[in-house]
Amino acid sequence: AQKITQTQPGMFVQEKEAVTLDCTYDTSDPSYGLFWYKQPSSGEMIFLIYQGSYDQQNATEGRYSLNFQKARKSANLVISASQLGDSAMYFCAMRLSGGYNKLIFGAGTRLAVHP
Amino acid sequence: EAGVTQSPTHLIKTRGQQATLRCSPISGHTSVYWYQQALGLGLQFLLWYDEGEERNRGNFPPRFSGRQFPNYSSELNVNALELEDSALYLCASSRPGTSGGIQETQYFGPGTRLLVL
Repeated sequence: AQKITQTQPGMFVQEKEAVTLDCTYDTSDPSYGLFWYKQPSSGEMIFLIYQGSYDQQNATEGRYSLNFQKARKSANLVISASQLGDSAMYFCAMRLSGGYNKLIFGAGTRLAVHP
Repeated sequence: EAGVTQSPTHLIKTRGQQATLRCSPISGHTSVYWYQQALGLGLQFLLWYDEGEERNRGNFPPRFSGRQFPNYSSELNVNALELEDSALYLCASSRPGTSGGIQETQYFGPGTRLLVL
């Protein structure tokens, strides 16, 4: 069964430090996409970064990078130089190819950035 | 470029009533998705529309239905509301395709908070 697991319900980090949010996934499908979204208290889901299952390099987008370890089925999000505005819920999600298109979400990790 | 818009932002209904939620996708996006985010249940896929057709449906009862209009905007209807339908309903849109690549990334709107009393 396809599943996303985020084992950290809550994390906190000091401003300007780096933080890693964990995500493991389970699928037997060889083709899939992995996504990270940020959800501030306002509710809107903001797309952060994407990693395709066939991508050879880890994805990076500004301060966000994805530590993709395919053999371990993990796709951890690394946020460098944390800012107060990074405080939010973070969701890891997976989408399979083949026409289903739905995103399967993990339970999320609440990140608090302290000054 | 305008993002995904949803209306209303908040909706209060009583049990047994019907709720209608609306979504306008990003220009150029033909696919619209609906997700439910209920307390304790996480984010769950509801429906996917593309080119006016329902393409995929999540594990929800038939009283959750919707449609997509020729301009690609979409409506989600929830009939015979139950207390447990109280949730944040998120709409997302994407470019068409089923390859699973980054070009089909789903972009979300701000959501509609539905409260059923």
